[in-house]
Amino acid sequence: DGGITQSPKYLFRKEGQNVTLSCEQNLNHDAMYWYRQDPGQGLRLIYYSQIVNDFQKGDIAEGYSVSREKKESFPLTVTSAQKNPTAFYLCAIEVYNEQFFGPGTRLTVL
Amino acid sequence: GENVEQHPSTLSVQEGDSAVIKCTYSDSASNYFPWYKQELGKGPQLIIDIRSNVGEKKDQRIAVTLNKTAKHFSLHITETQPEDSAVYFCAAKQGAQKLVFGQGTRLTINP
Repeated sequence: DGGITQSPKYLFRKEGQNVTLSCEQNLNHDAMYWYRQDPGQGLRLIYYSQIVNDFQKGDIAEGYSVSREKKESFPLTVTSAQKNPTAFYLCAIEVYNEQFFGPGTRLTVL
Repeated sequence: GENVEQHPSTLSVQEGDSAVIKCTYSDSASNYFPWYKQELGKGPQLIIDIRSNVGEKKDQRIAVTLNKTAKHFSLHITETQPEDSAVYFCAAKQGAQKLVFGQGTRLTINP
């Protein structure tokens, strides 16, 4: 994971609460991504950002929101509108097509 | 859009034997094909990748082959070791488009 940090590693929230997952990078790269991974499944793209103050929806953006106010930070908010938020969330940066992932945050909604 | 199919979903091999995981893709314009290894509870780690201008790439015990005509690519692991046990993902990408992942293969190396 190199210079990509995600916090916290484990997160528990009650149903109906919004929660924000942190993703920070010190590698000075522009492109950052958020993925969701469910047990036994591949990675699905939630949002991505190619540059500061700009981001695009991925395949499963409903119920999520992001911001990109700083190059090094790309936080993901899981809102109460997300029907099944319990999952493993992964942040990644991209360098010349190569994507490198952070350690992930496991979110459990009780 | 791009669709990537990965097989098998689970693979068990004896330590020292070879393991092969195969992926097919649908978009003939895809030109970048990475492979990731994911250990339990961790983020995926890029282990090898290949671009469409080459047919094969090797890095020690790991190799990837690409057949553009048939639109499939494969990961080969030789002389497998217990630490190779993990989930492996293939992916495909075309230019600035998004990376599309396969469903993953759980590889188990039996001692």
